[in-house]
Amino acid sequence: LAKTTQPISMDSYEGQEVNITCSHNNIATNDYITWYQQFPSQGPRFIIQGYKTKVTNEVASLFIPADRKSSTLSLPRVSLSDTAVYYCLVGDLNSGNTPLVFGKGTRLSVIA
Amino acid sequence: IAGITQAPTSQILAAGRRMTLRCTQDMRHNAMYWYRQDLGLGLRLIHYSNTAGTTGKGEVPDGYSVSRANTDDFPLTLASAVPSQTSVYFCASSDEFSGPDTQYFGPGTRLTVL
Repeated sequence: LAKTTQPISMDSYEGQEVNITCSHNNIATNDYITWYQQFPSQGPRFIIQGYKTKVTNEVASLFIPADRKSSTLSLPRVSLSDTAVYYCLVGDLNSGNTPLVFGKGTRLSVIA
Repeated sequence: IAGITQAPTSQILAAGRRMTLRCTQDMRHNAMYWYRQDLGLGLRLIHYSNTAGTTGKGEVPDGYSVSRANTDDFPLTLASAVPSQTSVYFCASSDEFSGPDTQYFGPGTRLTVL
């Protein structure tokens, strides 16, 4: 399983764009990159997934450079409700149900 | 649609007691997982099950056991609880089409072992 490294914490003011970068130098050819969001006192929830280039949904955008050794989760115009822990995971969707490793995540604090 | 339910919501338990945390999903997902979450340590996988009748060990399996008699239920048992098992426990599930990357989590069980 590819190991991921992401910042422990980040602070941002409301209305700003937040970019959280995750390093995964040992990513394998078949690995996908997935991000989860966890609010206080709740279980994590899936927010976005990608393989290469850019993926966008109603919650966030995911930028993946050509070498795929890192990825950046972008949250546009954050609000106080985006305060959460964000986890970057790397794994092979086609390897059956091989469990993933969540790690410690990045704690984002949005300030008014 | 309930998704994943966990019971109890919270529990205070004396050390040495046996405890089973319940997890039920109604999505017919083939895979289920148990995690514990401790402050500063993130989510750590305890046990998992890829399909009914099979189970596997995660990162921190010691002191815990699981069973998967059917698709919907995945109970986690602490045979003899110790204070270091004080934690928040999350159950999750995923289906074979989306893969293990797309997991759906329950609301968690907060367990305190005294």
